[in-house]
Amino acid sequence: QVQLVESGGGVVQPGRSLRLSCAASGFTFRNYDMHWVRQAPGKGLERVAIISYGGNNNYSADSVKGRFTISRDNSKNTLYLQMNSLRDEDTAVYYCVRPGSGRNFDYWGQGTLVTVSS
Amino acid sequence: DIQMTQSPSSLSASVGDRVTITCRASQSITNFLNWYQQKPGKAPNLLIYTASTLKSGVPSRFSGSGSGTDFTLTISSLQPEDFATYYCQQSHSRLWTFGQGTKVEIK
Repeated sequence: QVQLVESGGGVVQPGRSLRLSCAASGFTFRNYDMHWVRQAPGKGLERVAIISYGGNNNYSADSVKGRFTISRDNSKNTLYLQMNSLRDEDTAVYYCVRPGSGRNFDYWGQGTLVTVSS
Repeated sequence: DIQMTQSPSSLSASVGDRVTITCRASQSITNFLNWYQQKPGKAPNLLIYTASTLKSGVPSRFSGSGSGTDFTLTISSLQPEDFATYYCQQSHSRLWTFGQGTKVEIK
């Protein structure tokens, strides 16, 4: 069965960096585009970034462009999100997500909480 | 960016009620519209994709319809486990965006 397990969240001061990881199993990771989606406390959902299955193409939301970088290691079945220059408004649960048979968010990890606070 | 607007933002309903949630896109998204259910403290679950296709394993009381800019999610007979927040999401443009959510509460 598809499993996505995020790690790396925690409490960090504004302006600092954090790297999230997502370990994937139960499917052929290198065949799928992958996404990071976040949800601020009590708020809605926002797709933060997407990376193509081969890792050659990626796209980030304007809210994180220039600060966050999505990457992947297909040999390790792992997705990453490098978050630099963190701001208070980046506080959220970050989910690693795999699409289904179409253009949707079908499989979700359990999420990892990032809290940006001084 | 394509804006997605859901209505209502919240509703109160009783078990057995028929519930309809609407989602409007700021421009045509053909049928690239998905619906998700999220319960407190959990990740969202995909219910319906491409506007009207029920994901395998999702109860048939859930249905979706619409195309272009206007879409609906219908729960034909609300069950206790359906009290949750529902989100629509478009995947027509490169920037996939969500509606703000509709919270379905117990009356």
